[in-house]
This record gives sequence, C-alpha cells and structure tokens, in this order.
Amino acid sequence: SQQGEEDPQALSIQEGENATMNCSYKTSINNLQWYRQNSGRGLVHLILIRSNEREKHSGRLRVTLDTSKKSSSLLITASRAADTASYFCATRMDSSYKLIFGSGTRLLVRP
Amino acid sequence: NAGVTQTPKFQVLKTGQSMTLQCAQDMNHEYMSWYRQDPGMGLRLIHYSVGAGITDQGEVPNGYNVSRSTTEDFPLRLLSAAPSQTSVYFCASRSTANTEAFFGQGTRLTVV
Repeated sequence: SQQGEEDPQALSIQEGENATMNCSYKTSINNLQWYRQNSGRGLVHLILIRSNEREKHSGRLRVTLDTSKKSSSLLITASRAADTASYFCATRMDSSYKLIFGSGTRLLVRP
Repeated sequence: NAGVTQTPKFQVLKTGQSMTLQCAQDMNHEYMSWYRQDPGMGLRLIHYSVGAGITDQGEVPNGYNVSRSTTEDFPLRLLSAAPSQTSVYFCASRSTANTEAFFGQGTRLTVV
C-alpha cells in the first residue's frame, strides 16, 4: 500500500473559498512535498516541508506538518478557477531515497 | 533549459512487444525515477537511480528494466508488454534526495 494517502479524494468549491487537503503517511519521514498536476500534464512542485518544520507558506499556499500524527495539510486560500487540478503529497522516508506519492485529491474550483 | 524530456509522448504496443521509454535531463541531477500513473492510483514508483551506475527497485518493478550509464539519461525498458502496463509513465529527477522533483510531460502507453 502507498505511503501517503490524501483526503478527500475529490473536492468541489466555489471560487474565492479556501480549499484544504490532507495527507497521512505511515513511516518516519525526512520531508514531505506537495505537487500539482493539471489534466494530462506532468507534476509541478509546490512546496517542501522538512520533518523539523511545522508550517510553511508560499503565496496563497499554507502547509502544516504534524509528525506526531503523521499527517500534513495543504491550504489554498482565496481559490481561483485556475487552481482546478489534482494535488499530491509525496514523502521521502528517513530510511530510503525513494520519493513516494499518494493517490491525490482532485480539486474543482467553480467560477 | 529543457528540464526533463520524455520520448515518445504516445505509444501503442502489441502484447509481447518490447520497447524503451526515453528520459533525459539537463540539470545535472543525480536522482532520477520512473513512475506510472493509473486512474485513481496516484503515482507508483517503478525504479529509481541515485547516480550513474546505481539503480534500485521501487514499488512496482516487475516487467521493467532500467540502467543508468550517464547522469543525463535514464531509459525504462518494457521487456514483454502486457495490457496491465497500459498507463501514463512519468520520469522525474532531483538534485539530491531532499529536494524537489522535476517531472517530464509523460508518455501515454497503450498495450493492446
């Protein structure tokens, strides 16, 4: 089974609302990353948070990490129709060089 | 600066045929990986490499081979294509184990 699991699998919101996606993982990590994928395209890196960090911001993105609960959340504030995409978390475990992805959250932002 | 380049973009194979998916990066990254993406499954790691001459298996390696003779190139070989290998394949590279990954645009493979 995969290291990271996102929740919810799909999310539909109105433009201007905030979108929150969650990621849970199973084993100790070195870092956790969030990626975005537009339909039919490759993945684009959004933000990386290290295991000793609790919160990170980048523009309208806010990522939190709770290593005690083995979970992370991605908040997109003031969403736009252009934010419509799939969002994936990925973890680099302490014990491995692998970067393992979760199954993703499909976000639809309605104009 | 091209980044990560995958070829071909689309491919149709017959069951039992073999082929090589090409991946090249021009960022001098040590780490390269191959993933497959199936509907509802996210990305699953097939094989990865931490430098020229060094490769290792990921989550779903069966039916695939890789080699890394240069820093720039990381080809993925399908030995005997099966319909279960119908998927979108992505190549990614990172400069170190703890940095962001850069992805190619993907290869859409159909095995009939």
